[in-house]
Amino acid sequence: ETGVTQTPRHLVMGMTNKKSLKCEQHLGHNAMYWYKQSAKKPLELMFVYSLEERVENNSVPSRFSPECPNSSHLFLHLHTLQPEDSALYLCASSQVLGSLYGYTFGSGTRLTVV
Amino acid sequence: AQKITQTQPGMFVQEKEAVTLDCTYDTSDQSYGLFWYKQPSSGEMIFLIYQGSYDEQNATEGRYSLNFQKARKSANLVISASQLGDSAMYFCAMREEPSGGSYIPTFGRGTSLIVHP
Repeated sequence: ETGVTQTPRHLVMGMTNKKSLKCEQHLGHNAMYWYKQSAKKPLELMFVYSLEERVENNSVPSRFSPECPNSSHLFLHLHTLQPEDSALYLCASSQVLGSLYGYTFGSGTRLTVV
Repeated sequence: AQKITQTQPGMFVQEKEAVTLDCTYDTSDQSYGLFWYKQPSSGEMIFLIYQGSYDEQNATEGRYSLNFQKARKSANLVISASQLGDSAMYFCAMREEPSGGSYIPTFGRGTSLIVHP
């Protein structure tokens, strides 16, 4: 148990489906992040939330829509995805934005778009 | 241009031996932080060690140490007495600190480490 829980662990969805990824932390952290990890590519930062406010959005396609209803929960809503969106999606949290001692990551959701 | 470069896509080491994973970085900021993370096959990213740019001594955490050479802009991870459980992907990351920089770390492509019995 890493302290950051992501569900589901695996997800297979069609290009016309709508699904959501969930991330939950009870570490008292104020910042939460979504990362995309594709094979042989560096981790790509997608969204950053600090105190439930979005602070960064790295030119992510609109078919990805984040939601942070409170400081413990972060969602990534998916719709009309493309096969190239298949990847491991990692959620992370930190005590404050860019915390000195690094982040706590979840185990990720392995997404396959068919 | 890549800010973090990990030139070794894969490394092999014998159990109980030491191994060095390379990381070079590129920044014009004076204040920055360097991180190493471990990612086992289960997927989660585990924070290992942190080095601040103004820290005079190399960071150490148990069997992990960071060989920080500021002039060469390198931050190699040294794992001593390798264990089978060390087999994983290892990521180097840098956080450029304000002013002018982002709080958010940039990650390298990673190095896959396999420890042989």
